[in-house]
This record gives sequence, structure tokens and C-alpha cells, in this order.
Amino acid sequence: EPEVTQTPSHQVTQMGQEVILRCVPISNHLYFYWYRQILGQKVEFLVSFYNNEISEKSEIFDDQFSVERPDGSNFTLKIRSTKLEDSAMYFCASSEGQGRELFFGEGSRLTVL
Amino acid sequence: LAKTTQPISMDSYEGQEVNITCSHNNIATNDYITWYQQFPSQGPRFIIQGYKTKVTNEVASLFIPADRKSSTLSLPRVSLSDTAVYYCLVGDEKGSYIPTFGRGTSLIVHP
Repeated sequence: EPEVTQTPSHQVTQMGQEVILRCVPISNHLYFYWYRQILGQKVEFLVSFYNNEISEKSEIFDDQFSVERPDGSNFTLKIRSTKLEDSAMYFCASSEGQGRELFFGEGSRLTVL
Repeated sequence: LAKTTQPISMDSYEGQEVNITCSHNNIATNDYITWYQQFPSQGPRFIIQGYKTKVTNEVASLFIPADRKSSTLSLPRVSLSDTAVYYCLVGDEKGSYIPTFGRGTSLIVHP
């Protein structure tokens, strides 16, 4: 069964450092998403990406965040200067179309010290 | 965007049927209803999606009354491994749709 893969599974970084989280969505999917989940809290939408551009973003997704699909297979989330409150599980998801089933990766746990 | 309301938590026992109801009073004509399951430290996983009446797959059933203002996820004969958080999402394929997760329903299945 096709799946969304994410790397790294866990990253520990110092406050102020740049972090890149990587995702390989399912190959024939057209919509890509990043979500995050702070420990004990709900899954929060960050950004959606379609046709090589951001289609929607939340208030959380400020100038410190960026996304890219550099090579047609990877979908990356960059945090330019991490803060303590960025510590969370980050989930990548993809879908065939809007309103269709989301397929999530296993997540990347980011710990900012 | 239709807002959803679910119970915060539910308890059940192995072998029982569990029904989790979600209210979505302002659901729009084009909106579908989708349920996801999430285990700790894992990404949400799609369970079932429906528009009206009843949908059944190998995992669950989804009951949607005629007015579509609510839906009920039914899990037959739950086991300990069904302990998870269950989310109800409402949205359509047109326009701007951001799959938004609420707090969900934390189901605990006891031996």
C-alpha cells in the first residue's frame, strides 16, 4: 500500500537554528499538507500546497515557515529560526484532491532546546 | 466551514459496539463527512467518508440522517487496539477546504 514517508523521525535542535523536515507524498497525489501537534493538544493545520504553490495557510504559518517541492517528489517544511514553542510532532499529508481522504505520514518529532 | 461537535471522551469494553456521534448543524450541501482515527504519536488515519444515509467498510459504519446535521461512527465489537482519538471532519471538494481537526473523541476500550 502506498504511504507518505517523513524524515527525520526525531530531531533535536537548539533554539534559533534552522530545521528542514522532509516528506515524500504518495506519487499520484496532488495536494500536500503540513500539520503539527503539540504534545497533548489537537492536530493543527499549517499549510496546504497545490500546483507548486501555497493554497492555504494558517496563522501559525508565519514568516519563519516555508514549504517547497524542490524535485517533484519531496515536500519540505523549513523553520528558519526555531523557537521553544515549535517543539511538536509535525505531520505531512497528501491527498488526490480537495475533500478527499488525507494520507498522513508517521510524523517528525521536533524538540527545540 | 462547518463546525463539528463531538463528545470529549468515551469508555467501552472489549466486544461491545461503540457509536460516536458528531454534530455539524451548519453542514453545507456539498460537504462530505469524514472520520479519522489517531493513535498516540502517530498521524491520523482515514476510517470512512460519507455524504448521506449509510456507508460501511471493513472497519466501521457511518450513519447519516436525512437532515445531515449529525453523523454517527459505529465500531462493531471493539478491541483494546481500538483505543484511540476519533475525529469527525466536514468539508467539500470545491473552493477553499482546509481539513480541520477538532479535539476529537478519546475512546478508551477496557478489557
